[in-house]
Amino acid sequence: SAVISQKPSRDICQRGTSLTIQCQVDSQVTMMFWYRQQPGQSLTLIATANQGSEATYESGFVIDKFPISRPNLTFSTLTVSNMSPEDSSIYLCSVSRGEAFFGQGTRLTVV
Amino acid sequence: SQELEQSPQSLIVQEGKNLTINCTSSKTLYGLYWYKQKYGEGLIFLMMLQKGGEEKSHEKITAKLDEKKQQSSLHITASQPSHAGIYLCGAVVNSGNTPLVFGKGTRLSVIA
Repeated sequence: SAVISQKPSRDICQRGTSLTIQCQVDSQVTMMFWYRQQPGQSLTLIATANQGSEATYESGFVIDKFPISRPNLTFSTLTVSNMSPEDSSIYLCSVSRGEAFFGQGTRLTVV
Repeated sequence: SQELEQSPQSLIVQEGKNLTINCTSSKTLYGLYWYKQKYGEGLIFLMMLQKGGEEKSHEKITAKLDEKKQQSSLHITASQPSHAGIYLCGAVVNSGNTPLVFGKGTRLSVIA
C-alpha cells in the first residue's frame, strides 16, 4: 500500500499568482501522477513525474503552466503558474503500487 | 486511446430504492476502480476489480466486472442519503505503473 500526504488541502489565490502543491509518499515509487478535476468534470491526467527526468505532459498541458519537480522517489510538487479563474479545480496526485493510491486533493479557487 | 463511458450521468432516487451505475470500456481492462467523491473533496476508494466475472461487496454496495473485462456495474441496495455523491470509475489499461483513465462520473442524489 501507499499513504500520500498532499498539501495544501485547499487555497484561495489571486489571479496572476502561483501555487505549489506538494505530495509526500510514505514509500519509494517510480512514477507519480498529477490530475486535475475541473468543476463538474472528471479527472484528467496532467502529467507523469519520474524521478531524475522531466515530467511527461499530456496533450493540452505545458511545463510553463504546470511545472513539476520530482527531487526524489517519495516527493513531488506541482505548481500552477500565473493563475486565472479557469484554473480553479481540484488537483490530485497519485501513485501506483500494484493498485492506485490518491492524495486527499487540493481544492484551488482563483479569484 | 482508452475511453470509459459511464451511465447514467446523474441519478435521483428515493431513499430505500436500489440503483445501478454502469461503466463500459472501449478496450479490455486490466483492472477497474470505483470511487466515491463528495462535492469539492478527494476520492474515496470503494473497490477494485481485476478478474473477469469478479464481484465484490462492501456494506450495501456491490461491484461486478463482466467476463470480458469491458464492463462494470456498481449496485447500491436500499440507498441512503449517505450514499449521495459522485461515483467515478477508473480503468487500468495494463499491468505496469500507469495512470488511471476515468469515466465522466455519475452524480447520485438520494431523496427522502
